[in-house]
Amino acid sequence: DIVMTQSPDSLAVSLGERATINCKSSQSVFYSSTNKNYLAWYQQKPGQAPKLLIYSASTRQFGVPDRFSGSGSGTEFTLSISSLQAEDVAVYYCQQYSTAPFTFGPGTKVDIK
Amino acid sequence: EVQLVESGGGLVQPGGSLRLSCAASGFRFNDYWMHWVRQAPGKGLVWVSQIKSDGSTTSSADFVKGRFTISRDNAKNTLYLQMNSLTVEDTGVYYCARALMARPLAPFDPWGQGTLVIVS
Repeated sequence: DIVMTQSPDSLAVSLGERATINCKSSQSVFYSSTNKNYLAWYQQKPGQAPKLLIYSASTRQFGVPDRFSGSGSGTEFTLSISSLQAEDVAVYYCQQYSTAPFTFGPGTKVDIK
Repeated sequence: EVQLVESGGGLVQPGGSLRLSCAASGFRFNDYWMHWVRQAPGKGLVWVSQIKSDGSTTSSADFVKGRFTISRDNAKNTLYLQMNSLTVEDTGVYYCARALMARPLAPFDPWGQGTLVIVS
């Protein structure tokens, strides 16, 4: 199984400041046949279902604000929130969907400082 | 509007069984792979099982093999998860989710609101 790790476990950022979350996979999730990384980021607010933010490591899902961005390739990835808003308080998960079982990272909790 | 609505959760004793359902609407159900994901109280997301668009192929996490069975009825636009031999470790919210694209390796979107299973 591909093991996903995230850092930090939690972070507190001032409103309007940048938040950065890191994700690593135990093996590459890049497919040369499609030239894509099979890596997604989800946001989960308390009491709600997860919401897809980013897929293919850097493609924003429709309707996701452009302050959210994803980068990275192979085994190391980053989710950035360029200017944190109050509504961004949530837990963020990375997930690899390259190989079943489709494993998630343990999550990173983002709060307002 | 694309929508997934789970049902069937509840309180069950250890060793018991439950069948979860996920009613889909707003899209061509029989075009998409579907998944179940669970979340224990206060914990992270764990993938459980997937099924191909036509129901011919399934795969599951090791911890549910032999106990849980995923299935679908494309005529009823409904996904199922039959859960047998439940243990307290199976307690949590169970989400159904659709593959974003009509192909096997795709992120999950949308998700249902979840149904709570309590084994106690």
